[in-house]
Amino acid sequence: TQLLEQSPQFLSIQEGENLTVYCNSSSVFSSLQWYRQEPGEGPVLLVTVVTGGEVKKLKRLTFQFGDARKDSSLHITAAQTGDTGLYLCAGVYGNNRLAFGKGNQVVVIP
Amino acid sequence: DAGITQSPRHKVTETGTPVTLRCHQTENHRYMYWYRQDPGHGLRLIHYSYGVKDTDKGEVSDGYSVSRSKTEDFLLTLESATSSQTSVYFCAISRQGAVGNTIYFGEGSWLTVV
Repeated sequence: TQLLEQSPQFLSIQEGENLTVYCNSSSVFSSLQWYRQEPGEGPVLLVTVVTGGEVKKLKRLTFQFGDARKDSSLHITAAQTGDTGLYLCAGVYGNNRLAFGKGNQVVVIP
Repeated sequence: DAGITQSPRHKVTETGTPVTLRCHQTENHRYMYWYRQDPGHGLRLIHYSYGVKDTDKGEVSDGYSVSRSKTEDFLLTLESATSSQTSVYFCAISRQGAVGNTIYFGEGSWLTVV
């Protein structure tokens, strides 16, 4: 079993603040993906990181893949209420399968 | 949009009855997956398929079977539904991209077993 631990499980911040959430594992993954999920919907892919040390930016979201390809972080700058959601990280392994963390529930308060 | 349609979207069934969930894709992808999502457990892989009639078990396959008789359809069957199978079920496909394979999800099927 490929375990991915996400922290913190729940985070509530004021609009305009910055936040960082983490995804850690003892396993090495060929790539790692971040998804955002809103209530009643399926997860939607935000980004895929492949190379150790890679940093990708998606508007106010910055994703980093650890050098050893075991961990990742997501940083949101100047959070907006539209950033509210469940953020899931997933590691690709084996026969094209994904192992998911339990998610970071982010609530941005206006 | 990865062209994934799940049906039914919502279903209430009684314990002991068989239930089949259908996943239909329009883009001819080889890999298809069934996940379930539960509070405290996150998304867990039930079964997956890597081609017509080629399937394999995931981490929570007990009580579930799958079939894939054609590329576009992947069926998940609960032979005799139990209350522990009340969950949200997501179908997914894997699409080859510039940075490797990326998995895209359907909108989910909410199943309640009473």
